[in-house]
Parts: sequence; C-alpha cells; structure tokens
Amino acid sequence: QQQVKQSPQSLIVQKGGIPIINCAYENTAFDYFPWYQQFPGKGPALLIAIRPDVSEKKEGRFTISFNKSAKQFSLHIMDSQPGDSATYFCAAGIGGSARQLTFGSGTQLTVLP
Amino acid sequence: DGGITQSPKYLFRKEGQNVTLSCEQNLNHDAMYWYRQDPGQGLRLIYYSQIVNDFQKGDIAEGYSVSREKKESFPLTVTSAQKNPTAFYLCASSARQGRAGNTIYFGEGSWLTVV
Repeated sequence: QQQVKQSPQSLIVQKGGIPIINCAYENTAFDYFPWYQQFPGKGPALLIAIRPDVSEKKEGRFTISFNKSAKQFSLHIMDSQPGDSATYFCAAGIGGSARQLTFGSGTQLTVLP
Repeated sequence: DGGITQSPKYLFRKEGQNVTLSCEQNLNHDAMYWYRQDPGQGLRLIYYSQIVNDFQKGDIAEGYSVSREKKESFPLTVTSAQKNPTAFYLCASSARQGRAGNTIYFGEGSWLTVV
C-alpha cells in the first residue's frame, strides 16, 4: 500500500514537446505529492508539489495534474528544452508521518534539440 | 552556504569491510534521512532520524547502521552484512519531523562500489 507506481521508465521528446509522466498510488492516506528532478551525479531537487484539495498546480513550464478518485497524478512539462533532460521522480507522503516520502521508480527524460 | 555535505563522493569497499559515509547539514533541520538509489528502483529509505539520539529503520535497513549524536550529523555505516552494497547513497534532511509538505533537501550523494 506504500507503493507509488511511475511510468514510463524513459521518455524521449523533441524540443518544444510536452512530455507527460504518470504516477499512481494505492494508499488513500497520502496527502502530499511532490515531484523531484535529478541531474546525473547529483541529488534530487524539489520541482513542484501538490495537495489533494486541488486538481492542478502550475509553476512556470511545469504542471501537476491530480485525479483523487483515480488515485493518479501526473507531471506535464510545457515547451520542453534540452536542459530539462533529467530523471524525474514522483513521491507521496502522509501528513504527520516521520517517514516522509515514498518515491516512484523514476523517469529518465531526454529532450532532443 | 547552507546545505547538505556528503563525503566521500566515491568510495570503494573490499568484500568483508565496513565503510562509513558522512553526512553533515548546516540547515538546522531536525530530521535526517538516508536513501539508497539503484537504477530503475527509485529511492529507498534506509534509516531516518527525527531528533538527536533517536533513529528508526526504513524499508531496507538490514546491513546498515546509523548514529545521530549531533543534530547536524547523520553518518551511515555499510556493514559487511550488506550483501549488495554497490549503489548511490543519498543523505537528506527536512525542517520538522512528522510534517509531510516540508521540503526534503538532498545532498550530492556518495557512490559506493564493492571491489
């Protein structure tokens, strides 16, 4: 029930395309859903996060869509750039839980110039 | 600069040896974490600590040990009991324990290879 399933494992798009990464969860106690971006050889960094009381959150070119009934959430990257090439992780957390986050398996995104 | 410092960046271990990975943070964060990253498996929680002198096992604690003697330090020892220790290890911290929504900040990671 703690698992977060992420797809696809890898994704290649042309510059300007809109890559979409999807995540699904089972535990309805999750109430915090962040996305992390990781460049090779570096630690992940928080990109954007959403709570289940909203269906969409946008920050710059990055948008999270959240479907509470389906227990799914996704990351959309508008006007993708080669500099967006990285590994993206979704995660889910429970308020009040010291364990913090359960991570998805990651999506390696390549944006071609 | 504030942040999380992990050392060494690269470490080689012989079979049967224990090795210790260092993690220091100057963010004044209460909570600290150790994750292991393997290709295609995301980040898996090894140990976490909410407060000095207290820590809990995560999902894959077997073969690992930690200590939290100081707020800013959370070293991880990979023991010889860990059968497959080759991985990328990430230390992280967050401001307050038990509060999802607090940003987790990660260090740059340490690569451990068994030779």
